[in-house]
Amino acid sequence: EDKVVQSPLSLVVHEGDTVTLNCSYEVTNFRSLLWYKQEKKAPTFLFMLTSSGIEKKSGRLSSILDKKELFSILNITATQTGDSAVYLCAVVNGTASKLTFGTGTRLQVTL
Amino acid sequence: DGGITQSPKYLFRKEGQNVTLSCEQNLNHDAMYWYRQDPGQGLRLIYYSQIVNDFQKGDIAEGYSVSREKKESFPLTVTSAQKNPTAFYLCASSTYVRGLQETQYFGPGTRLLVL
Repeated sequence: EDKVVQSPLSLVVHEGDTVTLNCSYEVTNFRSLLWYKQEKKAPTFLFMLTSSGIEKKSGRLSSILDKKELFSILNITATQTGDSAVYLCAVVNGTASKLTFGTGTRLQVTL
Repeated sequence: DGGITQSPKYLFRKEGQNVTLSCEQNLNHDAMYWYRQDPGQGLRLIYYSQIVNDFQKGDIAEGYSVSREKKESFPLTVTSAQKNPTAFYLCASSTYVRGLQETQYFGPGTRLLVL
C-alpha cells in the first residue's frame, strides 16, 4: 500500500522566517511527487517533481526530491502571512494512475 | 474560463437519504477523481475514472456511487449506506501524456453535513 508521511503536522513561525516542510513516501512504481497549498477550499498546485536533485523554484518557494532516500522538502523563505495554509504532499503511482496524499502540514505565519 | 466546478457549495443530508454532488470540468481532461477530506486525515480517494463509461473504486468507495456518462461530468452519490458522510468532498481532473497521468487540478469542494 502506498504511503506518504508529512512532518511536522503543524508549525507556527514569525513573518520573515524560513521554513522547511518534509514529505517521505513509499510507493510502488513511482511516477511523480506533487506539492499543493490548501487555504480554505481547493488545493492549488505548487510543484511536480519527477527527478532527483533538481530544484523547482517559484518565487520564495522551492522544492527538491531525493528518490534514493524517498523524500522531498518544500522550502519557503521570507515567509508572509499569506503563506498560512495546509501544505499537502502527494505521490503518483504510475501503475494505478492515482495519487496518495499525506495528512498535510499546517503552517501559520504570525506578525 | 476553464476550470472545475462543484455544486452545491454546502449540502445537508437527512438520515437515510441519498444525495448527489456535481462535478463538471471544461478542461478536456480525460480523468476525474473524487476525494473525501476529514480533519487531520488528508485526502482519501473515493472513486476515479480514466475514461468515459469506466470508473474504478478508490480506497474508501463503500457507501458511494459514481457515473461517467460524459467526459465533462463525474457526479458522486452519497448513499444511505455511508454511515459517516460529514466531510469536505473534492473533485479533481487530470490529463494523460504518453499514457501517464499529469498533475491533478481541484474544484472548490462541497461540504456535506448530516442533519
